[in-house]
Amino acid sequence: EPEVTQTPSHQVTQMGQEVILRCVPISNHLYFYWYRQILGQKVEFLVSFYNNEISEKSEIFDDQFSVERPDGSNFTLKIRSTKLEDSAMYFCASSYSSGGANEQFFGPGTRLTVL
Amino acid sequence: GDSVTQMEGPVTLSEEAFLTINCTYTATGYPSLFWYVQYPGEGLQLLLKATKADDKGSNKGFEATYRKETTSFHLEKGSVQVSDSAVYFCALTAGGGADGLTFGKGTHLIIQP
Repeated sequence: EPEVTQTPSHQVTQMGQEVILRCVPISNHLYFYWYRQILGQKVEFLVSFYNNEISEKSEIFDDQFSVERPDGSNFTLKIRSTKLEDSAMYFCASSYSSGGANEQFFGPGTRLTVL
Repeated sequence: GDSVTQMEGPVTLSEEAFLTINCTYTATGYPSLFWYVQYPGEGLQLLLKATKADDKGSNKGFEATYRKETTSFHLEKGSVQVSDSAVYFCALTAGGGADGLTFGKGTHLIIQP
């Protein structure tokens, strides 16, 4: 069964460093998403991406964040200068279609620890 | 803005017990409602969904009914199994084409044999 994969499973970085989290969405999916979950808090939507551009983003997704689909398979989230409060689990998701009833398929997550 | 509130966990039940996990929401427009489940070490998986009022979503013995009058989408199962132990997330997407999910905090369910 096709699945969304994410690498690495755990990333440790120093405050101020840049990190890139990688995701491989399901191959025939067209819509891509990033979410994060700070320990003990809600899963929060960050951004959605379609046709090589951002289609929706939350208030959390500020200038420190960027997303890219550098080739036909990968979807990346870059944090330019990490802060302690960026420590969280980051989930990638993909879907074939958009709209309120679409099913988003999630990856297992990358745990980011900023020291 | 939109929000989802679900009961705090952990919820601990014995095998074959009846399960209810409460979920209420606040949203403008006509949201679609979802329950996602996360098993240890895995990503979130869609368990069931409902897209309009009075719809009932069901899967693997779990059910939830979209109640617009009470803005609720409670998850129920008549007889739980040890394998149902997981974290359950209630979520919604707003109407009008926006597709980012708004999640509740999640409820950790522990089923004891």
